[in-house]
Amino acid sequence: DTGVSQDPRHKITKRGQNVTFRCDPISEHNRLYWYRQTLGQGPEFLTYFQNEAQLEKSRLLSDRFSAERPKGSFSTLEIQRTEQGDSAMYLCASSLGREWGQETQYFGPGTRLLVL
Amino acid sequence: DAKTTQPTSMDCAEGRAANLPCNHSTISGNEYVYWYRQIHSQGPQYIIHGLKNNETNEMASLIITEDRKSSTLILPHATLRDTAVYYCIVRDYTGGGNKLTFGTGTQLKVEL
Repeated sequence: DTGVSQDPRHKITKRGQNVTFRCDPISEHNRLYWYRQTLGQGPEFLTYFQNEAQLEKSRLLSDRFSAERPKGSFSTLEIQRTEQGDSAMYLCASSLGREWGQETQYFGPGTRLLVL
Repeated sequence: DAKTTQPTSMDCAEGRAANLPCNHSTISGNEYVYWYRQIHSQGPQYIIHGLKNNETNEMASLIITEDRKSSTLILPHATLRDTAVYYCIVRDYTGGGNKLTFGTGTQLKVEL
């Protein structure tokens, strides 16, 4: 399967702990996106990378959140000092970004986080 | 990006066509219409997109009105596996950042 993969698929943690999620995009996709989805809502944009550069961050991305894409391939999303409000599905998407024209994002299966 | 309006839910009989409407009355000339769907507990799945002309692929057809203020996603022969939340999204393609802005979508339920 050459789609977007995410690890882990599920994570249960206690409030105050740190968690890290990994996303492996489709090979050769230069753009990588992180979204968060809470129950009953559509996904909300968090941040995106073009190659290794983080080009945009949402106001949803508090200072407890950090994302990296060190070699322009896989990405990690870390949440420090987790809170119960961080419980959500964290989705990763990748695309072959073009400066002009169309771009289609392909999503991974998501990581479901539960903070107790 | 322009705002979209979709019905909260729809039902469809298996084997019949499912027609999912979307209003995007403030769409601008630079914006594409994209459709994604999300089956329960999975990541969103790309379906189709278009700018002005009607589009068709192996999954669905997209009909965009001439004034581009609304569109309809058509699943020609719905099956139980098409039960999902369907999101209509309009996106400006000229910007460098192309985040998707999802609404709450339409919950399509396909029944026997």
